Formats: sequence, C-alpha cells, structure tokens
Amino acid sequence: QKEVEQDPGPLSVPEGAIVSLNCTYSNSAFQYFMWYRQYSRKGPELLMYTYSSGNKEDGRFTAQVDKSSKYISLFIRDSQPSDSATYLCASENTNAGKSTFGDGTTLTVKP
Amino acid sequence: DAGVIQSPRHEVTEMGQEVTLRCKPISGHDYLFWYRQTMMRGLELLIYFNNNVPIDDSGMPEDRFSAKMPNASFSTLKIQPSEPRDSAVYFCASRTLRDASRKLFFGSGTQLSVL
Repeated sequence: QKEVEQDPGPLSVPEGAIVSLNCTYSNSAFQYFMWYRQYSRKGPELLMYTYSSGNKEDGRFTAQVDKSSKYISLFIRDSQPSDSATYLCASENTNAGKSTFGDGTTLTVKP
Repeated sequence: DAGVIQSPRHEVTEMGQEVTLRCKPISGHDYLFWYRQTMMRGLELLIYFNNNVPIDDSGMPEDRFSAKMPNASFSTLKIQPSEPRDSAVYFCASRTLRDASRKLFFGSGTQLSVL
C-alpha cells in the first residue's frame, strides 16, 4: 500500500463548479502537506502547503488537512478552464528530506 | 535564477544503449531529487542528495540505474543498458529546507523513449 493514496479521476467539471480533490495518507509522522499542480508537458509546481491540521485559503483555493482521519483535501471555487491540470498531493514528516506523492488527479474544466 | 535546468528535453534511444540525463539545480539549494513519472506508476522518487551526498537511493529500480552529484551545481542520472520499460519522463527537482514551504522546484523533465 502506498503511503499517500489519491483519488485517481479523471475529473471533468463545467466552468464555475466547485472542485474537491482528495488524498489519504497512512504515515502518522507526516506533518507537511502540499498540493502541486502540473500542466501538460511541464514539471509540477507548488500550489499550496499546510503544516499540521487545519485549513489554508489562497484566493479560489482552500487546502484542508484532517490529521485525525489522515485526510487531505483541495477545494477549488469558481473553477476556470485554466485550472485544467493534474493535481498531486504530497506529504512529509518534519525530519524527512523527501516528499511522498500521490499518483495525481487529472482535472478538466470545460467552458 | 533560471530555475532547475534539465537536458536533454527529449531522448530517443535503442534498447541496450547508455543514457545520461543531466540536471543543474537552483543555486543555493542543498537538496536534489530525481523522479520518474509514468501513467502507470505516477511520480516515483528514484534518489535524492543532500549537500551532494546520496541519502536515499531505495527508489532506484535496479543496478542499471546510477546517479552522481559531483558538485553543488550538477547531477547526472545514468541508465546502462537502457530497456523499453525505462521509457518515462524523468524530472530533477531541488529545494532548500530554509524555505518553510518545503517547496520542490522541478525542471521541465526529460522525455525518454527506449525503442
């Protein structure tokens, strides 16, 4: 079993929809939780990160971590065609030098 | 800074040939990572370095793969001999833990096709 499991998708929504992307993790030592966005033929880029539990908001994006259930979520409000990409969740513990990635969810936002 | 620079952008080779992928990390970053991405297996960590020293190579699939970091500004990933199942996009990434976000900066990747 992978340490970070991600809903595989793909996901297709109409423009303006609210999108929910989800991951679960198994390592209780994970303290850092990240979301990367990857456009076609590009490397992943960090979208948001949170430390420990709680919510973090940045514009239309909200990252949520529930450590009690080991659940990671990314919400996108008012989704735009430019949000069409693959989204990867990642986690790591405080002392780790490396992040563990989910397999990614491909999102398509249709105009 | 120009970001993480990888070369070549595309590589097409025949089974059995040696392949060398190159990476220049961002100046000042003390961690360097090599990842492989495929549809079937997602983004897999192959190996990472801290201050030019290999820390974890447990993701290297087999002895055909080797990686070096002779100095802080250059790393190579070598596959010898290459096989069709090695076909994938190979990413190099770098970061510093002085950045509270622990952000990984990825290069544009090398698309490797082994025929």
